[in-house]
Amino acid sequence: GQQLNQSPQSMFIQEGEDVSMNCTSSSIFNTWLWYKQEPGEGPVLLIALYKAGELTSNGRLTAQFGITRKDSFLNISASIPSDVGIYFCAGPELQGAQKLVFGQGTRLTINP
Amino acid sequence: NAGVTQTPKFQVLKTGQSMTLQCAQDMNHEYMSWYRQDPGMGLRLIHYSVGAGITDQGEVPNGYNVSRSTTEDFPLRLLSAAPSQTSVYFCASSYSGGRNEKLFFGSGTQLSVL
Repeated sequence: GQQLNQSPQSMFIQEGEDVSMNCTSSSIFNTWLWYKQEPGEGPVLLIALYKAGELTSNGRLTAQFGITRKDSFLNISASIPSDVGIYFCAGPELQGAQKLVFGQGTRLTINP
Repeated sequence: NAGVTQTPKFQVLKTGQSMTLQCAQDMNHEYMSWYRQDPGMGLRLIHYSVGAGITDQGEVPNGYNVSRSTTEDFPLRLLSAAPSQTSVYFCASSYSGGRNEKLFFGSGTQLSVL
């Protein structure tokens, strides 16, 4: 099946720094989703991207749908302590919209 | 405003024991699914259902059974638990499972099999 690779796997930053992470695939995705998981909770959808080249913002978060349709990027500006968590990219398999494929996640740790 | 409710929150089993993880949603969603989360592997789909009476396998279905007798409930059964099933399990739902829909997740069940 399709697979998503996220990098970096973990990040340790200072409060106030900007964050960039990405997600790549060997196959095309028609939708890219970014979820955030806080400790002890399930993932929550942050941003959804539906068109190649699309750039979408949600507050301090900005995500982009890569032109090749094989990658996506998530940026967080001016990080704050509540940004801590695991960020997952995800996308529906081409053969079945009901099957959502997740990347392995990027764990973000912030030093105050 | 319950959303997706999973029980129990934590569970410890011995190898060979059986148990059922419960999942209920109050949003009248047709689509429900089960994922497991393991360190460094993200979330992997176990089983899913597009409506009452309809279930299908995901990426890692072996060792798990599901049924969907009502729209609200989607229990996950482990018939004979194995240490490889130690994981955090998440139930999720959406209106119809379409690619443009938001998945709502429960808060998870942490399962340890000794």
